[in-house]
Amino acid sequence: KQEVTQIPAALSVPEGENLVLNCSFTDSAIYNLQWFRQDPGKGLTSLLLIQSSQREQTSGRLNASLDKSSGRSTLYIAASQPGDSATYLCAVKGSARQLTFGSGTQLTVLP
Amino acid sequence: EAGVTQFPSHSVIEKGQTVTLRCDPISGHDNLYWYRRVMGKEIKFLLHFVKESKQDESGMPNNRFLAERTGGTYSTLKVQPAELEDSGVYFCASSHFGTGDGYTFGSGTRLTVV
Repeated sequence: KQEVTQIPAALSVPEGENLVLNCSFTDSAIYNLQWFRQDPGKGLTSLLLIQSSQREQTSGRLNASLDKSSGRSTLYIAASQPGDSATYLCAVKGSARQLTFGSGTQLTVLP
Repeated sequence: EAGVTQFPSHSVIEKGQTVTLRCDPISGHDNLYWYRRVMGKEIKFLLHFVKESKQDESGMPNNRFLAERTGGTYSTLKVQPAELEDSGVYFCASSHFGTGDGYTFGSGTRLTVV
């Protein structure tokens, strides 16, 4: 059974800092890994999708890496802004085509 | 393209009542999924449709939950009768056919059973 762990559970940083969010998964037989952002009371916004054959994906100030063999992914946020404050969720898609989610990292960027 | 649409956005019902949630996926997306997040827990899978057929309903908690997808378009999730532990946020997602495709999620329905 796939398990996804996200560390840290919460993170508070001053504006302008670069930061890394971590995600680990127990079963490396995945199709892809997706990072989402959730704002309070809102739905999930897809940030980055990494296929199992890829090592990383970039979008603006975001960079996500994937090391399938070790069961790890990181989300790097450069030059953080208060608007980046949200909960960041990592989810892996396995052979059953369903997503297994981590519990998320709650990020607060202080002005 | 229009996103995944869910309604209602919020629903407050009494224990024992029936509630029906609706999801309109992105047009052309064969795959439709229901997930939910109960207080303090991770988002969990409920079920997966491919077109109008249930591909996987292993996450459905019990027979009080009934999901349908009419003609392979929109989907409904009915809870009857609702219990207190059913409270949470119910998300719908869709994806195009293909194992490598990412998901697009709706904004969710927050269900409160009192």
